[in-house]
Amino acid sequence: QQQVKQSPQSLIVQKGGISIINCAYENTAFDYFPWYQQFPGKGPALLIAIRPDVSEKKEGRFTISFNKSAKQFSLHIMDSQPGDSATYFCAASSARQLTFGSGTQLTVLP
Amino acid sequence: DSGVTQTPKHLITATGQRVTLRCSPRSGDLSVYWYQQSLDQGLQFLIQYYNGEERAKGNILERFSAQQFPDLHSELNLSSLELGDSALYFCASSLHAADSPLHFGNGTRLTVT
Repeated sequence: QQQVKQSPQSLIVQKGGISIINCAYENTAFDYFPWYQQFPGKGPALLIAIRPDVSEKKEGRFTISFNKSAKQFSLHIMDSQPGDSATYFCAASSARQLTFGSGTQLTVLP
Repeated sequence: DSGVTQTPKHLITATGQRVTLRCSPRSGDLSVYWYQQSLDQGLQFLIQYYNGEERAKGNILERFSAQQFPDLHSELNLSSLELGDSALYFCASSLHAADSPLHFGNGTRLTVT
């Protein structure tokens, strides 16, 4: 019930391309869905977050799409840059506990 | 810089030993969380404290314990260490509950030999 499934495990994209990472959840009590970005040697950092009352949120080149009925949400990175190369984690929160997906290692080729 | 400080950055110890990891939360944050990150398990939630009290417990082993002190810093104690405990241990803090943004430290890398 607390699991958040994330795919793909790794992703290679050309510079300027669109990176798409998908997550799915089962627990309908989740009410907050953040994405975290982690660079090697650093802790995860909040990138963008969404609540289930909206279907999309955009911040610069980063967009979260949220499908409540399908219990899925995704991160789109437009015009991907080599500096976006990092590990991305989706997460879902309920009852004050944040559950993370397994992570996606994104590599953007120059 | 997230404002969360974790010490030490690296720790190498032998099986059966006990270690203490320390975390100073971001100024003003009342909640502290501990996560374990290993290659095959991702980020696993261990435990959360809010203003000195335990608020939520995740997959924390009985050999592990934590506490949050009156000055809000937190310590994670790992005892009877096993090889499988080798991992990155992250502390995060937030102002209130889990739907407040979490601010992560840069972790303590524990190696058990």
